[in-house]
Amino acid sequence: EAGVTQFPSHSVIEKGQTVTLRCDPISGHDNLYWYRRVMGKEIKFLLHFVKESKQDESGMPNNRFLAERTGGTYSTLKVQPAELEDSGVYFCASSQRLAGTETQYFGPGTRLLVL
Amino acid sequence: AQSVTQLDSQVPVFEEAPVELRCNYSSSVSVYLFWYVQYPNQGLQLLLKYLSGSTLVKGINGFEAEFNKSQTSFHLRKPSVHISDTAEYFCAVSEVSRDYKLSFGAGTTVTVRA
Repeated sequence: EAGVTQFPSHSVIEKGQTVTLRCDPISGHDNLYWYRRVMGKEIKFLLHFVKESKQDESGMPNNRFLAERTGGTYSTLKVQPAELEDSGVYFCASSQRLAGTETQYFGPGTRLLVL
Repeated sequence: AQSVTQLDSQVPVFEEAPVELRCNYSSSVSVYLFWYVQYPNQGLQLLLKYLSGSTLVKGINGFEAEFNKSQTSFHLRKPSVHISDTAEYFCAVSEVSRDYKLSFGAGTTVTVRA
């Protein structure tokens, strides 16, 4: 079974540009999460999809970030315009909730550097 | 809201020695507990998890962790480490029957030396 995949693995852009990150969850997983780790800090929750619906986007830093999950399959996270403080590693995770329990499986992350 | 504290940011250890990584959490409700590992230039991999039942949990690569509810701890141990265990380790919690989003500790970097 394929794991969670993320594209690109690395992205270097200039301040003010736009970047779109993609996440493909494990097939059949309804739950999809985005997390971010900025340098030297903790991994922080950004948002949670259940199928195509945003369940919780309380961790999104500001309106420069837009996440979508059309059709309830893959998800994209767009940063527009990018700022220096957006640099970090963006992780995607997916899960299937069974009997009230859940384990999230993570992708390899996208390392974003904004210059 | 829950929070997680990993008490050691860096743990150097010699090969074949034991290692313990400490994790404490705070939450007003019951939690699920996880340890993830990130090897150099790789993503997060699940090491082990506590959902319910036995408080001693065994994971991959010879790691185990013990859930202590009274001390709100979930320390990770391995009796004998290898060079290949060099990695960053993250403790994480989610609240039972709530939103399941994970709260992570700051991470502990384990460096195994020969």
